[in-house]
Amino acid sequence: DGGITQSPKYLFRKEGQNVTLSCEQNLNHDAMYWYRQDPGQGLRLIYYSQIVNDFQKGDIAEGYSVSREKKESFPLTVTSAQKNPTAFYLCASSWDRSYEQYFGPGTRLTVT
Amino acid sequence: KQEVTQIPAALSVPEGENLVLNCSFTDSAIYNLQWFRQDPGKGLTSLLLIQSSQREQTSGRLNASLDKSSGRSTLYIAASQPGDSATYLCAVTTDSWGKLQFGAGTQVVVTP
Repeated sequence: DGGITQSPKYLFRKEGQNVTLSCEQNLNHDAMYWYRQDPGQGLRLIYYSQIVNDFQKGDIAEGYSVSREKKESFPLTVTSAQKNPTAFYLCASSWDRSYEQYFGPGTRLTVT
Repeated sequence: KQEVTQIPAALSVPEGENLVLNCSFTDSAIYNLQWFRQDPGKGLTSLLLIQSSQREQTSGRLNASLDKSSGRSTLYIAASQPGDSATYLCAVTTDSWGKLQFGAGTQVVVTP
């Protein structure tokens, strides 16, 4: 089955800890994206990548970091510098801007 | 800066009625517009993608129109069913990287 997987589904962390969210796709897509969703708000872009070893900051990149060492993987690290990390995180991929973006099932991160 | 608005924020209709969901955007320089469905606690499911050169796109009971000059798109869902209950999001692609700018969504409830 082709698709995007995100793990884990739920993640709980203490304040001050870094945490890494996994995103893997087997669609052979070049572009991958990370979005954050907060209640009552639209999704906001954190980081995106068009090719391996290259990525760009989105609208709310502060406190986050990413890597793109393999085409199929785009992990997101939420660092202790992120002031309000509790949110629903969604990963997406596509061929390029002209094609649909496909989304993973999401990871709900709770930091206390 | 591109802003995407979806009105109303919530909508309730009886089963069998047609649904009309609105999306407006402030900058007409878009590459495409995508409609998504989101069930509670889940990722996004792509419904329709309309390229900037297209006026409409259809898939089964769904039809989406695009009027780029006036900055509007409308999603029509014919003969609504309780299974259509979800939040519907629209998003526009505004740059060569495929970055999506989202509206906050319309929450739809179809009552039996």
